[in-house]
Amino acid sequence: KQEVTQIPAALSVPEGENLVLNCSFTDSAIYNLQWFRQDPGKGLTSLLLIQSSQREQTSGRLNASLDKSSGRSTLYIAASQPGDSATYLCAARNDMRFGAGTRLTVKP
Amino acid sequence: DTEVTQTPKHLVMGMTNKKSLKCEQHMGHRAMYWYKQKAKKPPELMFVYSYEKLSINESVPSRFSPECPNSSLLNLHLHALQPEDSALYLCASSQAGGNQPQHFGDGTRLSIL
Repeated sequence: KQEVTQIPAALSVPEGENLVLNCSFTDSAIYNLQWFRQDPGKGLTSLLLIQSSQREQTSGRLNASLDKSSGRSTLYIAASQPGDSATYLCAARNDMRFGAGTRLTVKP
Repeated sequence: DTEVTQTPKHLVMGMTNKKSLKCEQHMGHRAMYWYKQKAKKPPELMFVYSYEKLSINESVPSRFSPECPNSSLLNLHLHALQPEDSALYLCASSQAGGNQPQHFGDGTRLSIL
């Protein structure tokens, strides 16, 4: 059974910093890995999806990488802004297991 | 604005009530999903429909009964729920196939008295 872990559980940074969120998974037989953000009391917003054959995906200030052999993915956020404050979740797509998330706070 | 619409946004019901949650998408997606999310926990998959047929049931108690009447609609019928069933219920959709991104609604926050 797939286990997904996200580190750190919480992160607080000043505005403008670049930061990295980590996601690890135990079963490398995934179709893809998807990153989401969730604002309090809201649903999930899809950020990036990396197929198992890909190494990285970029969207604006976000860059996600995938290393299947080591069971790891990272989400890099450049020049963080207060509007980036949210919980970030990764999901390993064989049986759609989510990590517990990283709660990000970006201070003005 | 989300492209997956869930109604109602909030629902309070007693343990003997029967109610339904609704989910609608008009993106032409042929896979639809129900998730349960407890406070400060990640979403947990409950059911998957593919081409209007139930393909995955993650050992969910029978007091939750899903229904997919057509390719745009997904319902979750609730009956005799327990207080521990209070949670945020999320619906998602995607193109069929495990390698397609999922799109989520804003959820229904359910409280069981």
